[in-house]
Amino acid sequence: EAQVTQNPRYLITVTGKKLTVTCSQNMNHEYMSWYRQDPGLGLRQIYYSMNVEVTDKGDVPEGYKVSRKEKRNFPLILESPSPNQTSLYFCASSPPGKRSDTQYFGPGTRLTVL
Amino acid sequence: RKEVEQDPGPFNVPEGATVAFNCTYSNSASQSFFWYRQDCRKEPKLLMSVYSSGNEDGRFTAQLNRASQYISLLIRDSKLSDSATYLCVVRVGGYNKLIFGAGTRLAVHP
Repeated sequence: EAQVTQNPRYLITVTGKKLTVTCSQNMNHEYMSWYRQDPGLGLRQIYYSMNVEVTDKGDVPEGYKVSRKEKRNFPLILESPSPNQTSLYFCASSPPGKRSDTQYFGPGTRLTVL
Repeated sequence: RKEVEQDPGPFNVPEGATVAFNCTYSNSASQSFFWYRQDCRKEPKLLMSVYSSGNEDGRFTAQLNRASQYISLLIRDSKLSDSATYLCVVRVGGYNKLIFGAGTRLAVHP
């Protein structure tokens, strides 16, 4: 089944404790992206990657890191989480070309930073 | 000002009603337009693209007015299963750069 998977789905952590949220897609998509969703603000892009070893900042990259060593995986790293990073996070991927407008989202990761 | 603005709702309508959502965008260089649907605590999923000529998919009709920078979604004969949040989404230049509105919540009741 074609899908985007994220782990963990739920995470409660404490300020300053490094964490990684994994994202994997099995559709051979080149483009992958991370978003956070907060009430009243909609989804905001954190980082995106156009292909392996090619990443760039989105609108709200502060406090986050990403890597793209393989086409299928795009982990999101929080080196020192803070309470303002409590949010719902979505990973997404899309195919190249004209179909790239359609983004396929993972199920989301709900993160709470105490 | 937000780049994509939507009325947050909620819109509470009975089954069978017709309901319309509006969305405005601020960047005149916006190239592509979409409506996504998001069920509670779930991931967004593409509902339909919006074309300049307007387009219809079953009970759903989307319209685009580039001059007014305005997008609409009309749902006819609402079903209980239409209850969700509807996200207005705009692509602004760049490769896959999507801007999401905060969403309009629809609740359809019996």
